[in-house]
Amino acid sequence: GAVVSQHPSRVICKSGTSVKIECRSLDFQATTMFWYRQFPKQSLMLMATSNEGSKATYEQGVEKDKFLINHASLTLSTLTVTSAHPEDSSFYICSSEQGFNYGYTFGSGTRLTVV
Amino acid sequence: GENVEQHPSTLSVQEGDSAVIKCTYSDSASNYFPWYKQELGKRPQLIIDIRSNVGEKKDQRIAVTLNKTAKHFSLHITETQPEDSAVYFCAAIGNFGNEKLTFGTGTRLTIIP
Repeated sequence: GAVVSQHPSRVICKSGTSVKIECRSLDFQATTMFWYRQFPKQSLMLMATSNEGSKATYEQGVEKDKFLINHASLTLSTLTVTSAHPEDSSFYICSSEQGFNYGYTFGSGTRLTVV
Repeated sequence: GENVEQHPSTLSVQEGDSAVIKCTYSDSASNYFPWYKQELGKRPQLIIDIRSNVGEKKDQRIAVTLNKTAKHFSLHITETQPEDSAVYFCAAIGNFGNEKLTFGTGTRLTIIP
């Protein structure tokens, strides 16, 4: 099946620094990439939808200047958490749809801890 | 937008018994309903899905039923095993060109040996 590779799996950063998370589609073209955030014991909440070659669409309440999304190619989408703060500590996970079949593939997730 | 509600939030069943998790959705145009199993710190894994033109789908010990009229769908796990312990999420896709998944709130299933 389709695979989305996500890196890093874990990252610890200092407050005020930026962290980049990458998601690569390994065997299919990910026209659209969905970025989710999951706090402990909670559901996955969609942050933004990125489409290759265009600006991302952010969900209400998500700061686009803080969570920078780039989808420059059909196989790579990145999420940069800028000026990270402890409240940004969370599990970030990407997902891409497999076209008409509506199947969704998830990356392995990134556990971000801001200290 | 789509709103998905999921119940119960926690469920404990004896090994070998059945577990049922229920979800309701709000968008009558939704046409795809996947179920995911998520173990701690890992990605959600698709375990079964159903489309709006089907009322029931089964895969070994797992089955999903869909009632479009009532706008609810359910996950059924029979002959539960300890490895079924995880958090389960239902999801739905709205229509009209909006293909983002809306997730339910999750059910923590614990199988008691």
